[in-house]
Order: sequence, then C-alpha cells, then structure tokens
Amino acid sequence: NAGVTQTPKFQVLKTGQSMTLQCAQDMNHNSMYWYRQDPGMGLRLIYYSASEGTTDKGEVPNGYNVSRLNKREFSLRLESAAPSQTSVYFCASSELGFGTEAFFGQGTRLTVV
Amino acid sequence: AQSVAQPEDQVNVAEGNPLTVKCTYSVSGNPYLFWYVQYPNRGLQFLLKYITGDNLVKGSYGFEAEFNKSQTSFHLKKPSALVSDSALYFCAVRGSYIPTFGRGTSLIVHP
Repeated sequence: NAGVTQTPKFQVLKTGQSMTLQCAQDMNHNSMYWYRQDPGMGLRLIYYSASEGTTDKGEVPNGYNVSRLNKREFSLRLESAAPSQTSVYFCASSELGFGTEAFFGQGTRLTVV
Repeated sequence: AQSVAQPEDQVNVAEGNPLTVKCTYSVSGNPYLFWYVQYPNRGLQFLLKYITGDNLVKGSYGFEAEFNKSQTSFHLKKPSALVSDSALYFCAVRGSYIPTFGRGTSLIVHP
C-alpha cells in the first residue's frame, strides 16, 4: 500500500510565485491534514478536512488555501509565496475517531527565495 | 483547547541504557495520546497510543509508554536503547478532530 503520497518532494520558488502541493491517500480515511514543520516549532496545523466536503483553518492558515477534491485528495495552495513559507510540509490522514492515529506522507521540502 | 509539552529538546543516552522521553498534556474530556517517531528526511511514523485501559502501553520497536492521569503525563520509555533509536520523537494528543503535536524531542543514543 502506498499510504499517503505527496508531490512534489522538493520545490524551489521565487517570492510571489504560486504552487499547489498535492496529497493523496489510499486508506479510505475521512480526515486529512496539512502541517508545516519548522526547526524548534514542531508541527503546526495549517488546514484540515474532517471529512469530504469540509475544510477548516488550523493554527497557521494565512497565505494558504486548500481543496478537498474528493475523499482521497487534499491539496494545499500557496497563492503568492513568501520566504516565511520556507518549510517542510506534511500531509496526513486519519479516521474520524479521536482514538485513531494519523498516517503521514514523506513531506515536501519547499524553499522560497 | 488541547496542548502537549515536551520539556526536553534533546535526550542523550548510552546504548544499552534505559531511556525516557517526557510528555505532559492538557485536554478536556478523555485524553487520546500518541507517540510518533521521525527519522531524517522522513514523515512521522506511529509508535503507540493510549485510549483507555492499562496505563502501560506497548508499541513498535520495543517502546512503551506510561499514562499517568494524576500527573497528566505520557512518558515514552524503552528498557535498553539502541543507536538506531536515534531520531526525533513527537507526543500528540487528540481530544477533537485535530491531533495536536508537541515540539519534538531529539533522542541521541551514543555507542
């Protein structure tokens, strides 16, 4: 099983450029999440989708948008990239129940210059 | 609101010695607690979880964690550390749709 697949794995953007990070899961999970990981900051939630058709802001949503395309796919868009968005981005998925663990993709390392 | 604290940025231990990585939590309602491990340039991998029942939870790779309700703690333990255990460890709590993660503790096991 592929689990959670993120594309691309690496990306370099110029300030002001836009891009979409793709995420797909094959575990039939209802919930999907986007986190960013920065040194000393741990994981911070950007957006999440509790179930297909819903999306909500997390802790650090500014500068990002998301689309829950279907149950499998949850994309993250940077409309106008800024150097502060240089980070490693992780997509995750889980079942709805609070006692269920999350499954993570391999991450996208994004550098904005 | 829910939160997790990992008070140590780094834990150093000699191979063969026991290890403990600390975690305390705050959540309203029943605590669902998790530990994850992250190896370099990889995503997080699930290690173990506490939902209910026995306070000592066993997980992957010989790790276990002890839930203590009165101290609101969920410390990760292993009786005998391996060099290959060196990684970044995250504690997480889930009292809603959103898992909340701690800042992570870097475990370094010295040969």
